[in-house]
Amino acid sequence: AQRVTQPEKLLSVFKGAPVELKCNYSYSGSPELFWYVQYSRQRLQLLLRHISRESIKGFTADLNKGETSFHLKKPFAQEEDSAMYYCALTDTGNQFYFGTGTSLTVIP
Amino acid sequence: KAGVTQTPRYLIKTRGQQVTLSCSPISGHRSVSWYQQTPGQGLQFLFEYFSETQRNKGNFPGRFSGRQFSNSRSEMNVSTLELGDSALYLCASSLGPGGGNSPLHFGNGTRLTVT
Repeated sequence: AQRVTQPEKLLSVFKGAPVELKCNYSYSGSPELFWYVQYSRQRLQLLLRHISRESIKGFTADLNKGETSFHLKKPFAQEEDSAMYYCALTDTGNQFYFGTGTSLTVIP
Repeated sequence: KAGVTQTPRYLIKTRGQQVTLSCSPISGHRSVSWYQQTPGQGLQFLFEYFSETQRNKGNFPGRFSGRQFSNSRSEMNVSTLELGDSALYLCASSLGPGGGNSPLHFGNGTRLTVT
């Protein structure tokens, strides 16, 4: 069963515009949610995790248990934000489930 | 600290052959997990090892196997290669089993092409 869904494969926004990358999950317990990012020619790396409730590079993500969503948001997109973004979930067994990813392009 | 190291970076094999990929985790990390990355499927979990024991296994055929050594280094083996096995294989290490307190640290991957 698909546990993490990222409905947008591709997303383009203009520089300075707000950006939201959607992530919905399916899990009945209390999952841990993450966003991982892969910049061009770099390795996949952790961007942020919901338990930290932090803002990294201007990005935030709020876990909405009612809507089972963990959307990634940034008020003003920058060109350097262009990358592949993956939403991920871990369950009680600590196995990671990744979404299929969203490729974000920020247009200058 | 050195990051997660995967070798080789590129591999070209023919159908029916077998292949072994290697992953050296970050020093001190005891958990190693493997993922297959393809454009259409994203990251698909293969298996995870912690302290030389397989903790979790994804939905892949038995042709895909792995192991972890006492120094936490891990190998992944694919036997009887098929064209569909062409992908980027990523290894990730973490201090303990993956979770909020043990985020994954990824290697650069091994690009496997099966012809």
